[in-house]
Formats: sequence, structure tokens, C-alpha cells
Amino acid sequence: GESVGLHLPTLSVQEGDNSIINCAYSNSASDYFIWYKQESGKGPQFIIDIRSNMDKRQGQRVTVLLNKTVKHLSLQIAATQPGDSAVYFCAENIGGGDKIIFGKGTRLHILP
Amino acid sequence: DADVTQTPRNRITKTGKRIMLECSQTKGHDRMYWYRQDPGLGLRLIYYSFDVKDINKGEISDGYSVSRQAQAKFSLSLESAIPNQTALYFCATSSAGGTYQETQYFGPGTRLLVL
Repeated sequence: GESVGLHLPTLSVQEGDNSIINCAYSNSASDYFIWYKQESGKGPQFIIDIRSNMDKRQGQRVTVLLNKTVKHLSLQIAATQPGDSAVYFCAENIGGGDKIIFGKGTRLHILP
Repeated sequence: DADVTQTPRNRITKTGKRIMLECSQTKGHDRMYWYRQDPGLGLRLIYYSFDVKDINKGEISDGYSVSRQAQAKFSLSLESAIPNQTALYFCATSSAGGTYQETQYFGPGTRLLVL
């Protein structure tokens, strides 16, 4: 069953290494996906998005990959820095609808 | 200057009290949203508004009401606060979507504690 509680999944990455944060979605009608970064004490901040007609999109040090076959989304952060330490949320929009559905988040912890 | 502001940033209240959280934006966006965030549960949509005359319930609207006073202002009220409404509340805005939903921009959040 679904795990609900106080503990977010945590990914620990050595500073300078690449980080890969994964997200699974269940609705095949989802056609727009966004990654947000939330630092402690702040609101979520847009990082990158991707439409369902694409399978890859790159930004500055970030890449989002979309695999519609297995309903999987990933965020890759190159050369992870201490400032990348945050909780990362994936979000999806279903069929151009009114709302965006957020995932529960993954905490990225940077090791010195 | 912040594009999306929320007041207050922190609030402690007692069970049964009525409180209002306010959100203002200078982005010129038509769409505004209220979310709550609980540890380990991500963000859940309470209410959203696509323009001044449009108000829609989100996933968890019970116990909450909203008012869209102007394009730039969207307030969230707890008519009679209860302890399980203790959470972090975020306001967000986006421009009109067209075919696709547009990126949402979030305020800094209001931390609410109901005793």
C-alpha cells in the first residue's frame, strides 16, 4: 500500500557527482510534467518542465527525462552542489485539465 | 521584490477561531491557487480561481473558504480552525493556460499552528 508518513525518500549524493531523482506517475492521460525544488523555509520553485510530446529536455545543469511507456519521469542534476540540497517534487497535469497533481517529494542531501 | 507574497508568514491560533490568510501577486496572472503542505504528503490543492469571478474547490476544500477580491488578491479563510489544519499553506499563481497548464509560481508560505 501507499506509504504515508513524516519521512520523505532521501537521496544522498557526493558533492560534484550527478544526481538522479525519480518519479513515477500513474495516469496515462498526464501530458505535462514539472519539477519543483523546495528549499527549507521557502515555497516550491520551478526548475524545468516537459510536455508529453517530448522525451528529454535540458536546462542549466538539469535534464528531465520522460518515459511514457513505463510512466516514469526523472530529474538529473549535473555536478551537484551544496545549494542543490532541497526537497524535489514532480508534478503532473492531466489532459490539459485545471489542476496540477504533486508527488510527495524526494529530499536531496549533499555529502561534502 | 517578491512576485507572490503571503501574510502572515507565521500564525498561532486557537481551536474555533476564524482566521484569514492573504496572498497578493504582482505577476499579472489570472490564476491563483491555495495549497496546504503536510510533512510527507506533498502539496494538496484547497481552492483555485481562474479569474475574479471564478472559484473552484480543490482536493481538500472542507473547512476552508476563499475570496478573490481582485486579480492580484486571493485570500483563504478558516471559519473555525481545528488542530488538524495545522500545516504550511502556500499560495501560487499562473498565467492562463491555453491548451496546457502553465507553470505555477509559489509564495513563501504561511506556517499555521492551531492549538
